[in-house]
Amino acid sequence: RKEVEQDPGPFNVPEGATVAFNCTYSNSASQSFFWYRQDCRKEPKLLMSVYSSGNEDGRFTAQLNRASQYISLLIRDSKLSDSATYLCVVNDGNTPLVFGKGTRLSVIA
Amino acid sequence: DAGVTQSPTHLIKTRGQHVTLRCSPISGHKSVSWYQQVLGQGPQFIFQYYEKEERGRGNFPDRFSARQFPNYSSELNVNALLLGDSALYLCASSLGPRGAGEKLFFGSGTQLSVL
Repeated sequence: RKEVEQDPGPFNVPEGATVAFNCTYSNSASQSFFWYRQDCRKEPKLLMSVYSSGNEDGRFTAQLNRASQYISLLIRDSKLSDSATYLCVVNDGNTPLVFGKGTRLSVIA
Repeated sequence: DAGVTQSPTHLIKTRGQHVTLRCSPISGHKSVSWYQQVLGQGPQFIFQYYEKEERGRGNFPDRFSARQFPNYSSELNVNALLLGDSALYLCASSLGPRGAGEKLFFGSGTQLSVL
């Protein structure tokens, strides 16, 4: 089983739609979790950290389920500018950050 | 404030050659990590340096080496290049050594093409 697994997509959604991505991780010792956004041929940029209680940043909501070892990202009212690859990242504090392969999102007008 | 800077932005090499990639972290950051990202994959960890010492090494052959200088900048060297080394090489800086919750800030990367 891979350390971090994501559905590669692509997810093609119309503007204004709500879309959710899940990511599963295998290391039960994982302590910190992040979502990064990566535009085509650009560097990954931190979108948000994921906290145990769940957290929200504008149209973006992240959730963590430790029992089932998955994290999720919900995007409400999708914009064309949300089109990108979303990378799930986990860390156990002792090893380097582990990145998933990413989920590609295309928001269509 | 300048972010993480990498040079060069693009590079074309032939098989068997060697390459040196450079990275300057964000001012005040003492840790530099190197990642390789092949098209369609997530970034894969190569090295981490903190305070000029290697703190971690990923599953890459000995052809890959790196170092960190007193000013915290870093170089990644790859010898005997193979076609499979073609990738985007990302440098990331962070404040301290690897730890839970540590956030990485990436440079724009060096796109290496091996022909």
